[in-house]
Amino acid sequence: EPEVTQTPSHQVTQMGQEVILRCVPISNHLYFYWYRQILGQKVEFLVSFYNNEISEKSEIFDDQFSVERPDGSNFTLKIRSTKLEDSAMYFCASREGRGHYGYTFGSGTRLTVV
Amino acid sequence: EDKVVQSPLSLVVHEGDTVTLNCSYEVTNFRSLLWYKQEKKAPTFLFMLTSSGIEKKSGRLSSILDKKELFSILNITATQTGDSAVYLCAALHRGSQGNLIFGKGTKLSVKP
Repeated sequence: EPEVTQTPSHQVTQMGQEVILRCVPISNHLYFYWYRQILGQKVEFLVSFYNNEISEKSEIFDDQFSVERPDGSNFTLKIRSTKLEDSAMYFCASREGRGHYGYTFGSGTRLTVV
Repeated sequence: EDKVVQSPLSLVVHEGDTVTLNCSYEVTNFRSLLWYKQEKKAPTFLFMLTSSGIEKKSGRLSSILDKKELFSILNITATQTGDSAVYLCAALHRGSQGNLIFGKGTKLSVKP
């Protein structure tokens, strides 16, 4: 069964450092998402991406965050200057297209900011 | 503010029991409600419900949506230890690009 692949599975970084979280969505999917889940809290939407541009973003997704699909397969989330409160599990997800809302989530990257 | 509320937050049952998980929502321009199962990491898709009163079924799992009372339930019959997980409910806006509003989840523990 096709999978969404995320790397790394766990990343530890110092406060103020830049991190890039990587995702390879399912190849025929058209819509891509980043969500995060702070430990013990609910899954929160960050950003959606379609047709090589951001289609929606939440209040969490401020100027410190950016997304890219540099080469037609990878989908990255960059956090420019990490803060302690950015520590969370970050999930990438993709879906096939219009009407197909049963996302496939990746296994997540646990980001720990120290 | 849009919100999705799940209850109970946690539940412990024995194998063979039947459980009902609840999800209520207050979402502007509501389109659909989705259920996911989260075991260790990635949520896996279970059901998407758009129409009221039509039960969706997959094996021992079933779910139904009530758009008048703004809630959904997820039933699991004859529970097994492999059903132990966090069950997430999420609402989808009409007209959105698919971003989901999640509840906090119900942690189900099935004991042998």
